[in-house]
Amino acid sequence: GAVVSQHPSWVICKSGTSVKIECRSLDFQATTMFWYRQFPKQSLMLMATSNEGSKATYEQGVEKDKFLINHASLTLSTLTVTSAHPEDSSFYICSARVSAGANVLTFGAGSRLTVL
Amino acid sequence: AQRVTQPEKLLSVFKGAPVELKCNYSYSGSPELFWYVQYSRQRLQLLLRHISRESIKGFTADLNKGETSFHLKKPFAQEEDSAMYYCALGNSGNTPLVFGKGTRLSVIA
Repeated sequence: GAVVSQHPSWVICKSGTSVKIECRSLDFQATTMFWYRQFPKQSLMLMATSNEGSKATYEQGVEKDKFLINHASLTLSTLTVTSAHPEDSSFYICSARVSAGANVLTFGAGSRLTVL
Repeated sequence: AQRVTQPEKLLSVFKGAPVELKCNYSYSGSPELFWYVQYSRQRLQLLLRHISRESIKGFTADLNKGETSFHLKKPFAQEEDSAMYYCALGNSGNTPLVFGKGTRLSVIA
């Protein structure tokens, strides 16, 4: 089945540094990937839609200069949290459509970011 | 505008009792509805979709267009059903799925 791999699974960084999270589709090509943020015991918040070869589409209220998304290939999208602050600490999850045009998503295992 | 409402944040039931997790949606077109589940320390995964009309792990969900609902049901809850359940709405095209806020199901032994 379609599998999405996320790396790292957890990361701790100092305030002011930048952190990159990778999302890879392992056995399929993903022209579109989605990045979510999940707070403890709360819902998923869609941050942005990552489109291969073009700019990401950010949801209202999400700072595009803060959360840089790059989708340079059909199997890799990256989320970089720039100049991270403690309030950016969260669980970040990526997902991809299992096939183009399909609404079924496959999710990564998530990346827990802790900013000290 | 597309919207998914899961009115219950937390639902606790005893083992063996029936379960119904509510989901209502708002969408003017022809919707595609899903239930995703997240077990403790696991990734989100698809539980079922309305077009499949199948039962997964004993769960079923029927799309009721008149009531704009897609409630998830299981006649006899099991402890392993304890998880976070998300209802999601999709449409044609490349727009993202719209997720509800989720309902945490706790099955008590």
